[in-house]
Amino acid sequence: AQSVTQPDIHITVSEGASLELRCNYSYGATPYLFWYVQSPGQGLQLLLKYFSGDTLVQGIKGFEAEFKRSQSSFNLRKPSVHWSDAAEYFCAVGPYGGSQGNLIFGKGTKLSVKP
Amino acid sequence: DGGITQSPKYLFRKEGQNVTLSCEQNLNHDAMYWYRQDPGQGLRLIYYSQIVNDFQKGDIAEGYSVSREKKESFPLTVTSAQKNPTAFYLCASSQPGHQNTGELFFGEGSRLTVL
Repeated sequence: AQSVTQPDIHITVSEGASLELRCNYSYGATPYLFWYVQSPGQGLQLLLKYFSGDTLVQGIKGFEAEFKRSQSSFNLRKPSVHWSDAAEYFCAVGPYGGSQGNLIFGKGTKLSVKP
Repeated sequence: DGGITQSPKYLFRKEGQNVTLSCEQNLNHDAMYWYRQDPGQGLRLIYYSQIVNDFQKGDIAEGYSVSREKKESFPLTVTSAQKNPTAFYLCASSQPGHQNTGELFFGEGSRLTVL
């Protein structure tokens, strides 16, 4: 069955430190992969997406993610975290036409940033 | 700018009352979705509509109803039958078709609190 796993519920990093958020997926075909970010009380904003080609994709706000087919992973990275990056991050895979909707989402990783 | 507008941003209701959340999009997307978000549970699909005058239940449709009379609009009614309606509700849209990637575009959300 298709699924997305984000193993870390909550991560705290110091401002200026590097960040890696993990995402593993189970999908029966070639996946389209997404990372979304959600600030408190707001909707979800697309950070980046992978459809095909170069397995390292660049997104907004200095984020990047690497697709590793052999590991079924799509981890999100940022070299230097800023306090404004504190938010919740969701990994998603699609397309999917079942009762879960067009994308299957992980349960999210909440990022806190220490001064 | 194209986008999705949800209203109201905040809504309070007494137990036993029905309430309707509005979702309007000007992206010319065929498909629209309603998600419910609770802390630690990620996004759960309530209803979705792939085309005007048609919609399907998602994973948690009980206690909710929708309509899709216009392409631009997909209102969600939270009925008195919904046992735990206090939550954050997100509307989204996508453009399915042969290039369907699953990418979703989200509104800013509506927070419903039952008093």
